[in-house]
Amino acid sequence: EAGVAQSPRYKIIEKRQSVAFWCNPISGHATLYWYQQILGQGPKLLIQFQNNGVVDDSQLPKDRFSAERLKGVDSTLKIQPAKLEDSAVYLCASEGGSNTGELFFGEGSRLTVL
Amino acid sequence: TQLLEQSPQFLSIQEGENLTVYCNSSSVFSSLQWYRQEPGEGPVLLVTVVTGGEVKKLKRLTFQFGDARKDSSLHITAAQPGDTGLYLCAGFPNTGNQFYFGTGTSLTVIP
Repeated sequence: EAGVAQSPRYKIIEKRQSVAFWCNPISGHATLYWYQQILGQGPKLLIQFQNNGVVDDSQLPKDRFSAERLKGVDSTLKIQPAKLEDSAVYLCASEGGSNTGELFFGEGSRLTVL
Repeated sequence: TQLLEQSPQFLSIQEGENLTVYCNSSSVFSSLQWYRQEPGEGPVLLVTVVTGGEVKKLKRLTFQFGDARKDSSLHITAAQPGDTGLYLCAGFPNTGNQFYFGTGTSLTVIP
C-alpha cells in the first residue's frame, strides 16, 4: 500500500514570495490534515478535511494561508505572501477511519523563508 | 498555551540506560497516542491507549495512561541508538474532534 506522498521535499523562497505544497493521501482515506512543525516541536494543526469539506481551519492564518481538496483526494496548501516565521516543515497526514484513529504522515515539505 | 506538555524536552543518554518521558495535561482525553519521528520523516504511530490506567508494552517500550486519562508516560528499558528520535504524544480530548500533539521530547542515545 502506497503511503502519503508530499512534494516538494524542500523549498527555499524569499519573504513575500508564494509557495504551494501538494499532498496525495493513502487511497480511500477520507480525512486529511495539514500540520506545521517548527524544528524540534510538536506538529500544529493548520486544517482538517473530511472528503472535500473543511472540518477545522481555526488555526490556519487565513490572511496568507489557503488550502483546498477539491475532489476529496489530493490537497494543496498555499502560502502567499510568505514570512520568515513560516519556515517550518509542513506535514500532511491522512486517516482511514479505523478504530485506532491512526494518522499516517508523509515525509513533509521543508520550507525555508529567507 | 499547549494542551499537552511533554518532559523532558531534550534527553541524551548512554546506550543501555533506562528513561521515562512524560506527557501531561489538565484536560481529559478519550484516547492518547505516542508517535516517534526520525529526522526527515513524518511521525509514526507506536501505540494508542484508551482506558484509564492502561499499560501497553511494545518490546522494550512501556506505555501507561493515567487513571484520570489526563497524562501518560513512555518508559524505555535498555535504550539503543535506534531509539533516537523525537517522541510525540497526541491526545483526543473528550470534547474535541481532533488529535492535539504534545511539545515533543528529543531523545539521543549515544553508543
